[in-house]
Amino acid sequence: KQEVTQIPAALSVPEGENLVLNCSFTDSAIYNLQWFRQDPGKGLTSLLLIQSSQREQTSGRLNASLDKSSGRSTLYIAASQPGDSATYLCAVKDSNYQLIWGAGTKLIIKP
Amino acid sequence: DGGITQSPKYLFRKEGQNVTLSCEQNLNHDAMYWYRQDPGQGLRLIYYSQIVNDFQKGDIAEGYSVSREKKESFPLTVTSAQKNPTAFYLCATGQELNTEAFFGQGTRLTVV
Repeated sequence: KQEVTQIPAALSVPEGENLVLNCSFTDSAIYNLQWFRQDPGKGLTSLLLIQSSQREQTSGRLNASLDKSSGRSTLYIAASQPGDSATYLCAVKDSNYQLIWGAGTKLIIKP
Repeated sequence: DGGITQSPKYLFRKEGQNVTLSCEQNLNHDAMYWYRQDPGQGLRLIYYSQIVNDFQKGDIAEGYSVSREKKESFPLTVTSAQKNPTAFYLCATGQELNTEAFFGQGTRLTVV
């Protein structure tokens, strides 16, 4: 059964730092991996979608990588800003076409 | 505006009461999903529908029911059989296998 883990559960860094969030999954048979952002009490906003055949995707200050063989993805945030504070979730689309979710990393950027 | 609309934003349920959460989309997506989110846990799938008049149970369907009479609408009813319904409920849509999922703003349900 596919399991998705995000470590750490929470992270606090000073403004301006570059940072990496981690997502690991147990079964490499995935269709894609998606990173989302969630603000408190809100829905999810899609940040980046990486297909199983891709190695990385970039959008502005965000870069997501995918290593299927090792079951890992990272979300790199460059030059962090207080507005980046949110919970970041990753999800993989498994062989049954369902999204399997990590519990998220709560990120706090200190001004 | 294109998107997914969930209503209400906040909902309170008394013991033994059924309540219905609304999810409407104008993205013309075939698939719609309902998830439950609890603190410190990943999202869990309640029900999903890939076509009108058809839906499938997810991992935690007990105590919930859905309908899909129109492509645009996928309401979720939380029945009195759901013993611990207090949670944040998220509706999502998707089109094809390898496209991204889109989410509504959620409904927070509280038992009083």
